[in-house]
Amino acid sequence: AQKVTQAQTEISVVEKEDVTLDCVYETRDTTYYLFWYKQPPSGELVFLIRRNSFDEQNEISGRYSWNFQKSTSSFNFTITASQVVDSAVYFCALSSQVSQGGSEKLVFGKGTKLTVNP
Amino acid sequence: NAGVMQNPRHLVRRRGQEARLRCSPMKGHSHVYWYRQLPEEGLKFMVYLQKENIIDESGMPKERFSAEFPKEGPSILRIQQVVRGDSAAYFCASSPPGYSYNEQFFGPGTRLTVL
Repeated sequence: AQKVTQAQTEISVVEKEDVTLDCVYETRDTTYYLFWYKQPPSGELVFLIRRNSFDEQNEISGRYSWNFQKSTSSFNFTITASQVVDSAVYFCALSSQVSQGGSEKLVFGKGTKLTVNP
Repeated sequence: NAGVMQNPRHLVRRRGQEARLRCSPMKGHSHVYWYRQLPEEGLKFMVYLQKENIIDESGMPKERFSAEFPKEGPSILRIQQVVRGDSAAYFCASSPPGYSYNEQFFGPGTRLTVL
């Protein structure tokens, strides 16, 4: 069975601090996808990134960066120089590649609530 | 190009009533997923549908819940005889048909409150 664990329930930082959100996953599939979503207080889900299991290159997008390590089954997310607008719940998710017509359902972690204080 | 639309955005029902949640996928998308987010929890998969077919309903409660995605019109998630434990945010996501992995685009969610 697939599982995503986000051990940090809540994190509180002061603006401009760097913060890393941890994500550990379990799957028996050789091909899979990992995601991060942001859920601001307004409630919608904002897609941040998707990585496939064959691409272990780290990715940077502005103040966001992701570290994917298959050896430790982790896909951690770092926000550099955090801002108040980064305050949200962040979800890590996992999906497997299936054949056409198969279910590509996402398995979500329970989320990490990040509060960035001014 | 409009995104995934869900309505209503907020729905209040009394115990025992029926709740109908609608999801209109993005144009050209024929796959719909429904997820439920209980308070303080992550999203949990409920059901995956393609036009006129239920492909995977492994996450659906066995009773009172049903889903459909007709040839014409939105996908509907129906909850009969709602109970307080059904209070949650219900999200749908759509994706296009195809052989490779297709990203799911999420709607804004419907927040159901059962009194």
